[in-house]
Amino acid sequence: DAKTTQPTSMDCAEGRAANLPCNHSTISGNEYVYWYRQIHSQGPQYIIHGLKNNETNEMASLIITEDRKSSTLILPHATLRDTAVYYCIVRVAWAPLVFGKGTRLSVIA
Amino acid sequence: DVKVTQSSRYLVKRTGEKVFLECVQDMDHENMFWYRQDPGLGLRLIYFSYDVKMKEKGDIPEGYSVSREKKERFSLILESASTNQTSMYLCASRPRQLSPSGNTIYFGEGSWLTVV
Repeated sequence: DAKTTQPTSMDCAEGRAANLPCNHSTISGNEYVYWYRQIHSQGPQYIIHGLKNNETNEMASLIITEDRKSSTLILPHATLRDTAVYYCIVRVAWAPLVFGKGTRLSVIA
Repeated sequence: DVKVTQSSRYLVKRTGEKVFLECVQDMDHENMFWYRQDPGLGLRLIYFSYDVKMKEKGDIPEGYSVSREKKERFSLILESASTNQTSMYLCASRPRQLSPSGNTIYFGEGSWLTVV
């Protein structure tokens, strides 16, 4: 399984876009990129996933580079409630998810 | 909305006790999972189940067992609780279909277990 590398922590001003990077240089052709987040003392929450194309939903956008070796999760207008740990996971669709350490995003007023 | 409910939010148990952590999901999902989360170690997979009566070991199954007698319920059992099993335990579920969304899993709120 591909390993992911994320920054340990990031800050973002409230109302600005939060761009969370993830490197996954060993990703294989059948592995998807999944993003989850975990707000303090709660269970992780699904955000978005993608294979090759960029994806957007009501929560975020996912930009995957053409070589698929890295991706960026974009929260377009971060709010204080987006403060959480964000996990980037690369996995085949049928395998259980394996969580790394993630990025701790702090949204600052 | 999918609901994954863990029976107890906070538990305190004594060393050597048998502990049951119960998880129920209401979306007819085939797959269910148990993770534990510890500071500095992240979420680690203990056991998972692809369907009723089925179970698979995750990364850290030692000291745990599971039971899946009904589709909606997945129980984690600590046969003889030890202090190193003090942790937050998270249950999750997902549908079986092997689509790209197959890994859109839904987590419960977590059970904080303290073994003294």
